[in-house]
Amino acid sequence: KAGVTQTPRYLIKTRGQQVTLSCSPISGHRSVSWYQQTPGQGLQFLFEYFSETQRNKGNFPGRFSGRQFSNSRSEMNVSTLELGDSALYLCASSLASGSTSTDTQYFGPGTRLTVL
Amino acid sequence: AQSVTQLDSQVPVFEEAPVELRCNYSSSVSVYLFWYVQYPNQGLQLLLKYLSGSTLVKGINGFEAEFNKSQTSFHLRKPSVHISDTAEYFCAVCRNSGNTPLVFGKGTRLSVIA
Repeated sequence: KAGVTQTPRYLIKTRGQQVTLSCSPISGHRSVSWYQQTPGQGLQFLFEYFSETQRNKGNFPGRFSGRQFSNSRSEMNVSTLELGDSALYLCASSLASGSTSTDTQYFGPGTRLTVL
Repeated sequence: AQSVTQLDSQVPVFEEAPVELRCNYSSSVSVYLFWYVQYPNQGLQLLLKYLSGSTLVKGINGFEAEFNKSQTSFHLRKPSVHISDTAEYFCAVCRNSGNTPLVFGKGTRLSVIA
């Protein structure tokens, strides 16, 4: 079974631009979560989508948004990029079929975004 | 809200020596606990998780962790490390009710020395 894939793997943008990152979950997984990883803040939760609906949201400004399609693929968008948005953005998928978070989250390799 | 503290940011250890990576958590509700590993330029991989039952949890690659509710700890151990265990290790927690996101610690970089 193919793992979680993220595209692109590397991205360089300048301040003020916007960016869209893509995540394809493991086949059959309906939940997709996004995390930002930086050396200073570590791993921080951005948002989770389940069956095309945002189910959980972290504490990030509105410049960060996401969506999920009917095939469970997900995209996240960052508008008006700032230098501090430079990070590794990780996507994770899980079955999330139950009422609690017992299903394992499987992570993709991440997209490394550099903002100049 | 939940929080996780990984007490050591870096742990150097010689090959074939035992290692313990420490993790303490804070939560007002019952939680699930996880350990993930991240190799260079890769995503995170689940090592093990505690949901309920036996407090000693065995995971992949010879790792195990013990849940201690009274000390709110979930330390990761391996009796004999290999060079290939060099990586960053993350402890994470989430509430055990509802589909809630993982809260991660800042990570511990394990360096295995030949």
